Amino acid sequence: GENVEQHPSTLSVQEGDSAVIKCTYSDSASNYFPWYKQELGKRPQLIIDIRSNVGEKKDQRIAVTLNKTAKHFSLHITETQPEDSAVYFCAASNNQGGKLIFGQGTELSVKP
Amino acid sequence: DTGVSQDPRHKITKRGQNVTFRCDPISEHNRLYWYRQTLGQGPEFLTYFQNEAQLEKSRLLSDRFSAERPKGSFSTLEIQRTEQGDSAMYLCASSLAGRETQYFGPGTRLLVL
Repeated sequence: GENVEQHPSTLSVQEGDSAVIKCTYSDSASNYFPWYKQELGKRPQLIIDIRSNVGEKKDQRIAVTLNKTAKHFSLHITETQPEDSAVYFCAASNNQGGKLIFGQGTELSVKP
Repeated sequence: DTGVSQDPRHKITKRGQNVTFRCDPISEHNRLYWYRQTLGQGPEFLTYFQNEAQLEKSRLLSDRFSAERPKGSFSTLEIQRTEQGDSAMYLCASSLAGRETQYFGPGTRLLVL
């Protein structure tokens, strides 16, 4: 069935360092891969997304890469700041309705 | 406020009671999704609507759960005969058909005692 695996489950970095979160997906029909940031008690907020016809996308300090052959995609955050501390979720969907299948989440802690 | 809204934000109920939650999507969005999130996990898909039609329902969803979107605008999610295992955050999201981006509401946190 459809499944998204996300690693690591927790990640602690020093302010200014980079953080990388990795996801793999099982459904080869998946063609849309968003990343959400969720702060404690708040709604998930989209931070970046990528579609299957693109291998990499960047938005300021955040970038996402996609390897369709290997069925994995990654989130890269550079020059991390304490306000980047949150839980990050990857997700995947296909064109059949657009439901999102989420990973288990990564709790990122950026220490000042 | 033009974002997705949900009501109530919190609900405490006793086991066996029925509960109903409401979601108001972004006004021009014709797709509406319900997800459930338990502590330390990612949101889990429950069901979705395009306009008033319920197009998909998770196979894992108990038949105690029912959702409606009668006029293609707001949606309700009802849980009958609640169980302690139903305790979770219930999230609603909306999108435009043909556009993948889903915008989430603040969620309804349910606690079943």
